[in-house]
Amino acid sequence: TQLLEQSPQFLSIQEGENLTVYCNSSSVFSSLQWYRQEPGEGPVLLVTVVTGGEVKKLKRLTFQFGDARKDSSLHITAAQPGDTGLYLCAGGDYKLSFGAGTTVTVRA
Amino acid sequence: DTGVSQDPRHKITKRGQNVTFRCDPISEHNRLYWYRQTLGQGPEFLTYFQNEAQLEKSRLLSDRFSAERPKGSFSTLEIQRTEQGDSAMYLCASSLVSGRAKNIQYFGAGTRLSVL
Repeated sequence: TQLLEQSPQFLSIQEGENLTVYCNSSSVFSSLQWYRQEPGEGPVLLVTVVTGGEVKKLKRLTFQFGDARKDSSLHITAAQPGDTGLYLCAGGDYKLSFGAGTTVTVRA
Repeated sequence: DTGVSQDPRHKITKRGQNVTFRCDPISEHNRLYWYRQTLGQGPEFLTYFQNEAQLEKSRLLSDRFSAERPKGSFSTLEIQRTEQGDSAMYLCASSLVSGRAKNIQYFGAGTRLSVL
């Protein structure tokens, strides 16, 4: 059983559209990480959020950490085919608990 | 390349054989983690080391699994008498234990194990 629930499980959009991926938990986390993983590769760290209510921007990606530090979201503006991948959220002080991921496909 | 390195990238073995994977962490990182990822799931924690000490093992790590980090640098994960259910991607990660980057884990590319 994964402590972190991600939704949706799959997302397919056209290039230029926006998308949001959600990560929810009943547990409080001191920090949450977002990773992107491509097939056959390991997860690549995108961002770490540590403060409740925090918003971080990474070019077209916006990450938000909920006030209660139980949930997070990832918003991508004007998605590009290069954004295609499996987006994973993870939390924990040392051993990470991962969500099952959201598979994002951006069609050209 | 100063990232986490894993070897081999792919391993195909027959049921009952033993396999060993190697992980070289980022050089200044004192923590090293092993995870397992099956299709459609996120990675699941197996075990972790701080320097050469193995500090925690998951219930997922049966008696057939053993991990070592003898000199506090690289680590090996051995699976004895492999079973088809061991087929998965085995991921290694490393992190610092203090400072601003404390506990931020960086992953290797993984070893894909297929047990026939």
